[in-house]
Amino acid sequence: QKEVEQNSGPLSVPEGAIASLNCTYSDRGSQSFFWYRQYSGKSPELIMFIYSNGDKEDGRFTAQLNKASQYVSLLIRDSQPSDSATYLCAVIAHDMRFGAGTRLTVKP
Amino acid sequence: EAQVTQNPRYLITVTGKKLTVTCSQNMNHEYMSWYRQDPGLGLRQIYYSMNVEVTDKGDVPEGYKVSRKEKRNFPLILESPSPNQTSLYFCASSLSIPGASQETQYFGPGTRLLVL
Repeated sequence: QKEVEQNSGPLSVPEGAIASLNCTYSDRGSQSFFWYRQYSGKSPELIMFIYSNGDKEDGRFTAQLNKASQYVSLLIRDSQPSDSATYLCAVIAHDMRFGAGTRLTVKP
Repeated sequence: EAQVTQNPRYLITVTGKKLTVTCSQNMNHEYMSWYRQDPGLGLRQIYYSMNVEVTDKGDVPEGYKVSRKEKRNFPLILESPSPNQTSLYFCASSLSIPGASQETQYFGPGTRLLVL
């Protein structure tokens, strides 16, 4: 079992819709959770981090954390074609572990 | 401009020919790390450094060496590259250990390596 799992996708949503990206992790001691966006051929860039159970909103992005279920998600509201990218989930327990990423395509 | 730079950006080499990929940051960050990214496997940490002269192995250190003689530089050394080290490599830095603060981890532009 991978330590951080994501559906590889591709996930395709129409412009203006909500995109929902999911991530599960295996280490119950994990404390910090991050979402990175990576455009094709580019380096990852941090878009959200969350430490506590519940929701955290930043503009069109909402991160949701449920430590009991070992689950973290990212919602993108009003999806735009510019949101098309691979989204990487990262989790810190003893060190930082990344998921393989979910490729999102937003169609105009 | 705050940035992490890597050189070279692209490299084709042959098995066994020693190479070094440089990484430099201008943000006075203490923490630096190297990752490789392969399809379906995501980012895997090779080595990290919490400060000058302090380095430690990540998930996949075999076949790699690093050094941290100065705070700004963290070169990745492949003493005898093999085809299974063909990958996309990223250097990253942050003010402190990721998760210890709300400081983000900044990634370099990546180095695409092909070992024939």
